Amino acid sequence: QQQVKQSPQSLIVQKGGISIINCAYENTAFDYFPWYQQFPGKGPALLIAIRPDVSEKKEGRFTISFNKSAKQFSLHIMDSQPGDSATYFCAASTEGAQKLVFGQGTRLTINP
Amino acid sequence: KAGVTQTPRYLIKTRGQQVTLSCSPISGHRSVSWYQQTPGQGLQFLFEYFSETQRNKGNFPGRFSGRQFSNSRSEMNVSTLELGDSALYLCASSLAGRTTYGYTFGSGTRLTVV
Repeated sequence: QQQVKQSPQSLIVQKGGISIINCAYENTAFDYFPWYQQFPGKGPALLIAIRPDVSEKKEGRFTISFNKSAKQFSLHIMDSQPGDSATYFCAASTEGAQKLVFGQGTRLTINP
Repeated sequence: KAGVTQTPRYLIKTRGQQVTLSCSPISGHRSVSWYQQTPGQGLQFLFEYFSETQRNKGNFPGRFSGRQFSNSRSEMNVSTLELGDSALYLCASSLAGRTTYGYTFGSGTRLTVV
């Protein structure tokens, strides 16, 4: 019930294309869904987050789509750039929780 | 504003030894959480400390322990190291331990057990 499943494991996208990463969760108590971006040698950094009372949140080129009934959420990166090449993790937690449950990660490569 | 500082950045230890990792949170943050990151298991929660008290613990053996000092700095200890303990150990600091606000990770300590 604590799992968050993320796909794909790796993704190659051409510069200017759309990158899409998907996650699914089981625990219906989760009410906070962040995405983290991690570059080699660095810790994860919060990219964008959503709560289940909205179906979509957009920040610049990054959009989270959320489907509460399907218990799925996804990250869309529009106009993908080589600088977006990194590992992306989805995560989930409950309000007031002291820990995040992470997906397995997606290694994204943007080809120039 | 300084970020989360983890020391050392790299460590090489031998099986059976013990190791202590350190994490200095962002000034004013009272909560420190620890995660283990491996290629196979991904990011897994180890434990969380707030005001020197462990409030939450993940599913790791008792060889993994930690503590927090009055200045909020935290240490994590792994005893009787095994090859499988090789990982990137990350700490995250926050004001009150809530993942939903100001949850910031350090760059981690890369532990290699040989």
